[in-house]
Amino acid sequence: DTGVSQDPRHKITKRGQNVTFRCDPISEHNRLYWYRQTLGQGPEFLTYFQNEAQLEKSRLLSDRFSAERPKGSFSTLEIQRTEQGDSAMYLCASSLTYEAGNTIYFGEGSWLTVV
Amino acid sequence: ILNVEQSPQSLHVQEGDSTNFTCSFPSSNFYALHWYRWETAKSPEALFVMTLNGDEKKKGRISATLNTKEGYSYLYIKGSQPEDSATYLCARTTGANNLFFGTGTRLTVIP
Repeated sequence: DTGVSQDPRHKITKRGQNVTFRCDPISEHNRLYWYRQTLGQGPEFLTYFQNEAQLEKSRLLSDRFSAERPKGSFSTLEIQRTEQGDSAMYLCASSLTYEAGNTIYFGEGSWLTVV
Repeated sequence: ILNVEQSPQSLHVQEGDSTNFTCSFPSSNFYALHWYRWETAKSPEALFVMTLNGDEKKKGRISATLNTKEGYSYLYIKGSQPEDSATYLCARTTGANNLFFGTGTRLTVIP
């Protein structure tokens, strides 16, 4: 069990560029979540997958954001035409199929700075 | 209460002191309450998941209680140590198991 891993850990990009983050969940975890955290706030839900199906997307996830989880294993989060307001930490988490008491495990996050 | 609220926002305690934080949340449509400890440059570490009213959980010097009827949870740290310095986050889940987080309590333990 290597935990949830995210890549890259840090990304600096120019406004208008596209960026992609990758998340490898704990093996055998069916559920995968993406959260975003900005300074002074708790993490905010973006989207989640049950296996390869994307089941819910937050209103925070604008049309410039797309997430995929092909084959139900790793996931990617792509941000197109980045804006300065996209600067944040993007956290990935995974868990076994939901039961109320299941623990949700987080990765270390990917920092995005848009300049 | 519409959102998850945590208090205090930050706290400084002396090594050896015991301390506690509060997490308040909407009591309707409750499924579970999660506590995490988040140290800088690390991933949030799951401390507890509680589902039942009256639940009490303990992990070493840290314990938590849950009151789902009135919508609050307390996290206690006994005999704080410098390595306890971190941000403590609570989050509730509803049926879809999406975590709704508070803004956290930042604890600094002074040696």
